[in-house]
Amino acid sequence: DTGVSQNPRHKITKRGQNVTFRCDPISEHNRLYWYRQTLGQGPEFLTYFQNEAQLEKSRLLSDRFSAERPKGSFSTLEIQRTEQGDSAMYLCYLQASRAGPTDTQYFGPGTRLTVL
Amino acid sequence: AQTVTQSQPEMSVQEAETVTLSCTYDTSESDYYLFWYKQPPSRQMILVIRQEAYKQQNATENRFSVNFQKAAKSFSLKISDSQLGDAAMYFCAYRSAGFGRDDKIIFGKGTRLHILP
Repeated sequence: DTGVSQNPRHKITKRGQNVTFRCDPISEHNRLYWYRQTLGQGPEFLTYFQNEAQLEKSRLLSDRFSAERPKGSFSTLEIQRTEQGDSAMYLCYLQASRAGPTDTQYFGPGTRLTVL
Repeated sequence: AQTVTQSQPEMSVQEAETVTLSCTYDTSESDYYLFWYKQPPSRQMILVIRQEAYKQQNATENRFSVNFQKAAKSFSLKISDSQLGDAAMYFCAYRSAGFGRDDKIIFGKGTRLHILP
């Protein structure tokens, strides 16, 4: 794994509980994205940050979801009152610059959430 | 809104043979980037190859090459000399190159590639 770590790697929780995931870039990347991936599907965009500013949120991101990137480095994604439909892999994606396709980019290993 | 379509949920190829994965996309933009990502089972997503829309020349990375047809909005991935380690889910993806706020990567649903020994 290079570029980014995510913790925890696996999380099992009961419906109604709150969970928080963390994404830690290994090196500086000004853009940080959160994606959600359900089994057999492609990743779906949730939100992204330019440094510490949250620039866009998908309509998939209900009021139960909140994300932060307080110092422009690591980011957290919190889900309140989890539902079974929240079960998915949550991926962190980093991009060093917006200069083009040659910019460095990394996907994290993901956090797999299971809501019972 | 941009969309990415992968019409082949699964494909199989004999080891050492060549396979082509299809991808079409829809956009009204003229400047954008296209990507193919590989996601091995229970492993991290990695970038395989990328293409800038303004370049006519197809991108190539070792055994991986693309056939980019801008007018047809088609972006297929060719894997030559398939190896067992190529077995994975492959995602086609799109990203705008404009300077607006719509800067996310949009993924297709993926094609699962099986390599037959």
